[in-house]
Amino acid sequence: GAVVSQHPSWVICKSGTSVKIECRSLDFQATTMFWYRQFPKQSLMLMATSNEGSKATYEQGVEKDKFLINHASLTLSTLTVTSAHPEDSSFYICSARGRGGGAADTQYFGPGTRLTVL
Amino acid sequence: AQSVTQPDIHITVSEGASLELRCNYSYGATPYLFWYVQSPGQGLQLLLKYFSGDTLVQGIKGFEAEFKRSQSSFNLRKPSVHWSDAAEYFCAVVPNTGNQFYFGTGTSLTVIP
Repeated sequence: GAVVSQHPSWVICKSGTSVKIECRSLDFQATTMFWYRQFPKQSLMLMATSNEGSKATYEQGVEKDKFLINHASLTLSTLTVTSAHPEDSSFYICSARGRGGGAADTQYFGPGTRLTVL
Repeated sequence: AQSVTQPDIHITVSEGASLELRCNYSYGATPYLFWYVQSPGQGLQLLLKYFSGDTLVQGIKGFEAEFKRSQSSFNLRKPSVHWSDAAEYFCAVVPNTGNQFYFGTGTSLTVIP
């Protein structure tokens, strides 16, 4: 089946530093990737949608200058949390949808990245 | 407003007992419906999905779900729960007019011996 990986699986950083999280589709080409944020004991909240080769579309309330998304290839999307602060600590999950995937197609989720900002 | 509701925040069942997790949605037309499971510290795994056709959908790990249009529901069921089923379960919908996933708040399942 379709596999999506994320790296790193967890990261601890100091306040004010930037952190990059990678999301890779290992065995399929992902034309669209999604980034979610999940707080403890809560549901997933969509942050942004990225299509390969174009700018990401951010959800309302998500700062695009703080959460930089790059989808440079059909198998890789990156999320960079710039100038991270403790309130950015969360579980970040990406998902990917394959080429030709329409609205009804399944998204395949990565295992998530736990970010802790000290 | 459009929404996905999972009324039960937490459910505890005995191993071997049956399980039903509730999911209701409020959208103008029947959306695409999904159930995902998340183990602690892990990503989401798709259990099953409904797009159209037979309203009883079979999934992995012995799970099934039934779409009921009249009740705007898509409840997840399993006849006999195993200890390994303990996890967080999320219902999700994709409106048929868009491509964004909307997740419910999740139901945490505890299985006792």
